[in-house]
Amino acid sequence: DTEVTQTPKHLVMGMTNKKSLKCEQHMGHRAMYWYKQKAKKPPELMFVYSYEKLSINESVPSRFSPECPNSSLLNLHLHALQPEDSALYLCASSSPPGGNTEAFFGQGTRLTVV
Amino acid sequence: DQQVKQNSPSLSVQEGRISILNCDYTNSMFDYFLWYKKYPAEGPTFLISISSIKDKNEDGRFTVFLNKSAKHLSLHIVPSQPGDSAVYFCLGGSEKLVFGKGTKLTVNP
Repeated sequence: DTEVTQTPKHLVMGMTNKKSLKCEQHMGHRAMYWYKQKAKKPPELMFVYSYEKLSINESVPSRFSPECPNSSLLNLHLHALQPEDSALYLCASSSPPGGNTEAFFGQGTRLTVV
Repeated sequence: DQQVKQNSPSLSVQEGRISILNCDYTNSMFDYFLWYKKYPAEGPTFLISISSIKDKNEDGRFTVFLNKSAKHLSLHIVPSQPGDSAVYFCLGGSEKLVFGKGTKLTVNP
């Protein structure tokens, strides 16, 4: 199984809502990533988890809250988002950071904040 | 500070010819580099990687060359096929993966 599964595929939320994005992999990877991609731009790194611990936070606003409850799951909790947060959110996993192997990406969650 | 640069936003080639996609980087701490292909509204798909200690890696129609002294790498696709049309991202890898801006490749039949 070489899949990274992201749910939901699409999400529309209001600015006062609380929602969560979910990412799951069963490849035994111990590094997991959240990226944000706006239209016609490259994906931008948000967070890196290594061995279930947050190792990198790219100065992401606190309205985005990551969580890694176990080695297979990565969540992104969303609260009080702004319309400019609308984007494709991509999850990825790989061997431990620096492992010189490919990262597997999920298909993304298309988030629209209204 | 753009650590990985893909200076050509687009490239158009004829089917059967060679496609050469270029990438420059500024961060000497990258341990490896990856190339991904991406269609709109989908996740990136891995193509090929190269360790920073190698200068070439080949996989089928895809070959990546690394010139460490010039901090430059290139992806060669030969022969190019219409199905190769997509956006290609170069990534630098260390404790995090850093994307270039991408190059949109169009292969014309």
